[in-house]
Amino acid sequence: AQSVTQLDSHVSVSEGTPVLLRCNYSSSYSPSLFWYVQHPNKGLQLLLKYTSAATLVKGINGFEAEFKKSETSFHLTKPSAHMSDAAEYFCVVSEYGNKLVFGAGTILRVKS
Amino acid sequence: DSGVTQTPKHLITATGQRVTLRCSPRSGDLSVYWYQQSLDQGLQFLIQYYNGEERAKGNILERFSAQQFPDLHSELNLSSLELGDSALYFCASSVEGPASSYNEQFFGPGTRLTVL
Repeated sequence: AQSVTQLDSHVSVSEGTPVLLRCNYSSSYSPSLFWYVQHPNKGLQLLLKYTSAATLVKGINGFEAEFKKSETSFHLTKPSAHMSDAAEYFCVVSEYGNKLVFGAGTILRVKS
Repeated sequence: DSGVTQTPKHLITATGQRVTLRCSPRSGDLSVYWYQQSLDQGLQFLIQYYNGEERAKGNILERFSAQQFPDLHSELNLSSLELGDSALYFCASSVEGPASSYNEQFFGPGTRLTVL
């Protein structure tokens, strides 16, 4: 069965410093992987997706993620955090087309 | 704005009651998905409809049911409500493709259900 583990429930960074949100996945097949962001009292927005093309995926707002099969990881990074990045981030796996399995989420706090 | 609309935005009701949540997908999207987000269970897939037919089922309780109408809007019916059903319910839609490919799901703003 497919599953996702987000290694940190909370991450705190200072504005202008790098962001690293960690995600490990478990999948029997070649998965599709995604990162979604949820701002307070808002819906979910797709940041980026990996669907077996390039292993380094670039998304919106300067975020990117690297698919590492040997480590079963799909960590999300951003070189420089902005205050507006404060939100909850979900790592998501999809194995059989469209059913999404969400991780528990990582709350990102950005300090000024 | 994702183009997916959900009504109502908030719903407060009592235990034992029945409610209906409504979702309108993006124009042209044939698939609708329902998800539940709660503090203890996180975000969970409930059910998927494609062009009026049930396509996939997740952790959906027997007290819950859904349907997709000919105009492609969908309704999620929750009955015999319990305190633990309090959650944020999201609808998402996508353009359906081959089973082996992935189509991006666009999420609505959600309906916050509070059961007292």
